[in-house]
Amino acid sequence: GAGVSQTPSNKVTEKGKYVELRCDPISGHTALYWYRQSLGQGPEFLIYFQGTGAADDSGLPNDRFFAVRPEGSVSTLKIQRTERGDSAVYLCASSLADWNEQFFGPGTRLTVL
Amino acid sequence: GENVEQHPSTLSVQEGDSAVIKCTYSDSASNYFPWYKQELGKGPQLIIDIRSNVGEKKDQRIAVTLNKTAKHFSLHITETQPEDSAVYFCAATPYDKIIFGKGTRLHILP
Repeated sequence: GAGVSQTPSNKVTEKGKYVELRCDPISGHTALYWYRQSLGQGPEFLIYFQGTGAADDSGLPNDRFFAVRPEGSVSTLKIQRTERGDSAVYLCASSLADWNEQFFGPGTRLTVL
Repeated sequence: GENVEQHPSTLSVQEGDSAVIKCTYSDSASNYFPWYKQELGKGPQLIIDIRSNVGEKKDQRIAVTLNKTAKHFSLHITETQPEDSAVYFCAATPYDKIIFGKGTRLHILP
């Protein structure tokens, strides 16, 4: 595809459930980033992949959050035992080179009831 | 760690007038400063960026200035149009992080 895609666009779940959010980066982009955006705030860094490995996961809020990128392309953000405070838009971005021009996807709006 | 402050949080300008958004950063190691535009229901879109070895950059109606000594940078939009209405984010990149400001909601009034 031409841009970064994310699925689903919206996810509603119940407190305590497990969710997976998917990101398809731009073809050829080796760097992939996950952000979380709460209402009225800027994106907040979660984790950054260079190829298949997580180069920096210091933004993950706790051990309920985990992300993988097994083949260096598609990435999945996994949230266990969801809490109401996890409700936010989760954004994915990719770039050709580390921390340079990042292209964002449309985001997944997660609502935890 | 890096802290990015952005002002104002909301800005209304008459169509055709100029808009200015200002940001400050704290970490002198930051060397890349992108600006993003976010429309409702969409992800942020890069509109212009500037590196620390440059003081000003312009792209049509959009310009960005950087003052490394004062640690502040600004976005200038001239001849504003209705489609400029959106939320704008500044960001700073120290080492291996990108830190965003809280955003400015720009309203272009008819």
